[in-house]
Amino acid sequence: NAGVTQTPKFQVLKTGQSMTLQCAQDMNHNSMYWYRQDPGMGLRLIYYSASEGTTDKGEVPNGYNVSRLNKREFSLRLESAAPSQTSVYFCASRETGTGREKLFFGSGTQLSVL
Amino acid sequence: ELKVEQNPLFLSMQEGKNYTIYCNYSTTSDRLYWYRQDPGKSLESLFVLLSNGAVKQEGRLMASLDTKARLSTLHITAAVHDLSATYFCAVIIQGAQKLVFGQGTRLTINP
Repeated sequence: NAGVTQTPKFQVLKTGQSMTLQCAQDMNHNSMYWYRQDPGMGLRLIYYSASEGTTDKGEVPNGYNVSRLNKREFSLRLESAAPSQTSVYFCASRETGTGREKLFFGSGTQLSVL
Repeated sequence: ELKVEQNPLFLSMQEGKNYTIYCNYSTTSDRLYWYRQDPGKSLESLFVLLSNGAVKQEGRLMASLDTKARLSTLHITAAVHDLSATYFCAVIIQGAQKLVFGQGTRLTINP
């Protein structure tokens, strides 16, 4: 079982470049999340999606867009990367309605913006 | 707005000692998660607490949830070096899907 798969694992961008971080889960979960983690800090919620076709802003949405075109995939796009977006990005998906409610994380994407 | 606060943020303790990490949150919720993160790694699920009064234990770790006080605790019993890591709690706003994390507690256990 793959669980939550994120690509790429590492990326270096120049200021102003754009890119999309991909996330896919094979567990048939409704809810998916994107977080960023800066050194020595906790995880801050960027966007989340409660179900296919819906997305909502989290704590730090500025500079990002997301897309949930199907149940399996939830992508995060940086339209014009800035050095302040250098971070480790984690995607997660969550079981709902099962009584277990467990949250599963991807392995992370380390992004550097120069 | 949901705020999740952990304390302490840093904890250095000796092997064999007991200690508690606290997680306070600001709005109604009945679902709380505890995670562990080792340096350079992703997050590992420890506990999911789904109701008031829930208590779960795994080895030397025990977590509890008091939804009326908006407080969860992670208790470490007879700490061992392998438990050194950063521990996070995370809370879901009741009736919604928004999941917010605390700042994390960096735990160092010294021999």
